[in-house]
Amino acid sequence: DAKTTQPTSMDCAEGRAANLPCNHSTISGNEYVYWYRQIHSQGPQYIIHGLKNNETNEMASLIITEDRKSSTLILPHATLRDTAVYYCIALGDTGNQFYFGTGTSLTVIP
Amino acid sequence: NAGVTQTPKFRVLKTGQSMTLLCAQDMNHEYMYWYRQDPGMGLRLIHYSVGEGTTAKGEVPDGYNVSRLKKQNFLLGLESAAPSQTSVYFCASRTWGGYTFGSGTRLTVV
Repeated sequence: DAKTTQPTSMDCAEGRAANLPCNHSTISGNEYVYWYRQIHSQGPQYIIHGLKNNETNEMASLIITEDRKSSTLILPHATLRDTAVYYCIALGDTGNQFYFGTGTSLTVIP
Repeated sequence: NAGVTQTPKFRVLKTGQSMTLLCAQDMNHEYMYWYRQDPGMGLRLIHYSVGEGTTAKGEVPDGYNVSRLKKQNFLLGLESAAPSQTSVYFCASRTWGGYTFGSGTRLTVV
């Protein structure tokens, strides 16, 4: 699985869009980009995933660049409950190993 | 559908004691993983399994052993607990659609 890099921390004003970037320059053709978040000490929670097309669900949108070397998770209207650590990971279908990295700590400010 | 269940949720051990953490999943997932998370840090992979009867080492395997005798269960053992093993332990199972995490086991070794 390809390694990913993310900024250590970000702030976002409540009600504004939160844009979280992720670099995955070594991603291979069959690897999806997944986003998870972890609130306090809970288990990580799935947000969204995509291969090469932009994706949207009830939680967020995922924008993947055409060369697939980077992506952005967008929380359209951030709330205080979105304060969490966000992990971007590249996931293939072998399941042999999986590294989360340290993620981006997002703080939503009132 | 319970997803991934970890037992126990909390445990305090004395140095040198042994214990087993149980992870059970009811989603028929092939892949299962054990992670540890220390305060302020990301998830680090301890051991993983790509199927019943198989296990493999992750990033930080020393001091731990695992077994996957049944597809739905993945056990993590500490033979002789050390204070450095104080952490929150997360189990996860995985399918092509991504990870599902348990709620964690908070272990303190004194």
